[in-house]
Amino acid sequence: EAGVAQSPRYKIIEKRQSVAFWCNPISGHATLYWYQQILGQGPKLLIQFQNNGVVDDSQLPKDRFSAERLKGVDSTLKIQPAKLEDSAVYLCASSPNPRAGETQYFGPGTRLLVL
Amino acid sequence: KQEVTQIPAALSVPEGENLVLNCSFTDSAIYNLQWFRQDPGKGLTSLLLIQSSQREQTSGRLNASLDKSSGRSTLYIAASQPGDSATYLCAGSTGANNLFFGTGTRLTVIP
Repeated sequence: EAGVAQSPRYKIIEKRQSVAFWCNPISGHATLYWYQQILGQGPKLLIQFQNNGVVDDSQLPKDRFSAERLKGVDSTLKIQPAKLEDSAVYLCASSPNPRAGETQYFGPGTRLLVL
Repeated sequence: KQEVTQIPAALSVPEGENLVLNCSFTDSAIYNLQWFRQDPGKGLTSLLLIQSSQREQTSGRLNASLDKSSGRSTLYIAASQPGDSATYLCAGSTGANNLFFGTGTRLTVIP
């Protein structure tokens, strides 16, 4: 079974530029999550999708971050404009459904450096 | 809001030693507790998941316990090996399966 795929793996941009990350979850997984992991911290949930609908985006900085999952499969996360403090690893995860107790499967992450 | 704390932040042990990693959480209404492993430059791998009705889970040399009343979980690793070197993260989940992660314990097993 193929795992969660993410691209790019690394990205370096200057502040105020825009950047987009892509995630392809495990086939058949209805729930998709984006997490932000700042160096030395644990991952923090940014947004959760159930199919193509948003379940929770309470911690997403909506003035600069946006995410979509138009066809209920793959997803993109965008930052526009980027700030220095956005430097982090962005992790995508998926699970079969949002029921509590389901294991989440994580991708390798995209490491973003904002200069 | 659920807050998760892990102690120690870093740990070095000689190969073969048994060790315990600690995790504490503030909200006893936690639904379940998971332990993950993270290797440098890689994503997270789920190790053990303890449901709210359970008190422990075991997998091979790993044993995780959950005490909701005291807000604590421990991960016990028996007979540690160099391949166990990684960062270990615990995470509590809500009913919607949102995970609240601790800051992790970076484990180094010295051959």
